[in-house]
Amino acid sequence: QVQLVQSGAEVKKPGASVKVSCKASGYTFTSYDLSWVRQATGQGLEWMGWMNPNSGNTGYAQKFQGRVTMTRDNSISTAYMELSSLRSEDTAVYYCARPGENGYNLDYWGQGTLVTVSS
Amino acid sequence: DIQMTQSPSSLSASVGDRVTITCRASQSINRYLNWYQQKPGKAPKLLIYAASSLQSGVPSRFSGSGSGTDFTLTISSLQREDFATYYCQQSYSTLWTFGQGTKVEIK
Repeated sequence: QVQLVQSGAEVKKPGASVKVSCKASGYTFTSYDLSWVRQATGQGLEWMGWMNPNSGNTGYAQKFQGRVTMTRDNSISTAYMELSSLRSEDTAVYYCARPGENGYNLDYWGQGTLVTVSS
Repeated sequence: DIQMTQSPSSLSASVGDRVTITCRASQSINRYLNWYQQKPGKAPKLLIYAASSLQSGVPSRFSGSGSGTDFTLTISSLQREDFATYYCQQSYSTLWTFGQGTKVEIK
């Protein structure tokens, strides 16, 4: 079965960077795009961007342009999301997610990674 | 980016009630509209894709409709397990966006 397993919680200081990983199993990693979505405590879902693991092509929400980088290592079926210049407002749970078979939705989700930004 | 606006932001309802949540896009998105349910501490769950297609395993009391800019999620008879927050999401453009969410609470 499809599984997305994310790395553990992180605590970072303002101005630092964080890199969250998402290890995929149960399907061919390069066959589906991956999105990253975040959710601050008590707030709504915020789509950050997508990556095509086959080509490496990416697309980022305007809000995160210049601060987010999505990469992958196909040899270990793992995607990464790096967010730089962290501020307190970036404290959130970060999810990776994969579309279902029709390709235009998010059907499979990781368990989420809590990133806390605090001095 | 395409803006998605949900209404209401929250609602109170009783078990057995019919519940309707609306989602409006800032431009036409054809039928590239999905609905998710999220419970506290859990990842979102896909309920409806392509505006009206029921995801496998989702109870038939959930339905979706609409096209263009205006969409609706309907729960025909609210069950206790349906108390949650619901989000719409567009996948028409290369850059996807979510609505702000609708919290369904027990009356």
